[in-house]
Amino acid sequence: EAQVTQNPRYLITVTGKKLTVTCSQNMNHEYMSWYRQDPGLGLRQIYYSMNVEVTDKGDVPEGYKVSRKEKRNFPLILESPSPNQTSLYFCASSSSNRYEQYFGPGTRLTVT
Amino acid sequence: ELKVEQNPLFLSMQEGKNYTIYCNYSTTSDRLYWYRQDPGKSLESLFVLLSNGAVKQEGRLMASLDTKARLSTLHITAAVHDLSATYFCAASNTGNQFYFGTGTSLTVIP
Repeated sequence: EAQVTQNPRYLITVTGKKLTVTCSQNMNHEYMSWYRQDPGLGLRQIYYSMNVEVTDKGDVPEGYKVSRKEKRNFPLILESPSPNQTSLYFCASSSSNRYEQYFGPGTRLTVT
Repeated sequence: ELKVEQNPLFLSMQEGKNYTIYCNYSTTSDRLYWYRQDPGKSLESLFVLLSNGAVKQEGRLMASLDTKARLSTLHITAAVHDLSATYFCAASNTGNQFYFGTGTSLTVIP
């Protein structure tokens, strides 16, 4: 089954404790992206990647890091999480033409 | 920076009625997307519109794009309860970034 998986689905952590949210897709997609969803703000793009070893900042990259060492994986790293990073995070992938994005199930992160 | 505005933010409509959600974007975009999100769920892709005058239809939903007016519409025909969800439009620029609207929460009342 074609899918985008994210782990963990729920995470409660404390300020400053480094964490990684994993994202993996099995569709051989070139394009992968991370978004955060906050009430009243819609989705905002954090980082995206056009292919292996190619990453670019989205609209709200501050406080986040990504890497794309393999085509199927695109982890999101928060080196020193802060409470304002409490949000619902989605990973998505698509082929290089970006006609259709497939979204993962989401990761709800709470930073206290 | 490309800005995307949707209206209305909230829409309550009776079953069987028609309505339109509007999506305006601020600068040139090479494509326009519509997504659906059910409560507590992820996003599902509905349509991608690639050129001026493009129209796509799926069931009771029809999306159109006017690039000159920088406007896309999502028209709902004869609404049914199953269409209750939040609908997002998003625009993409040639830089491969996506910009989402704030969403329209649609409730269809029996």
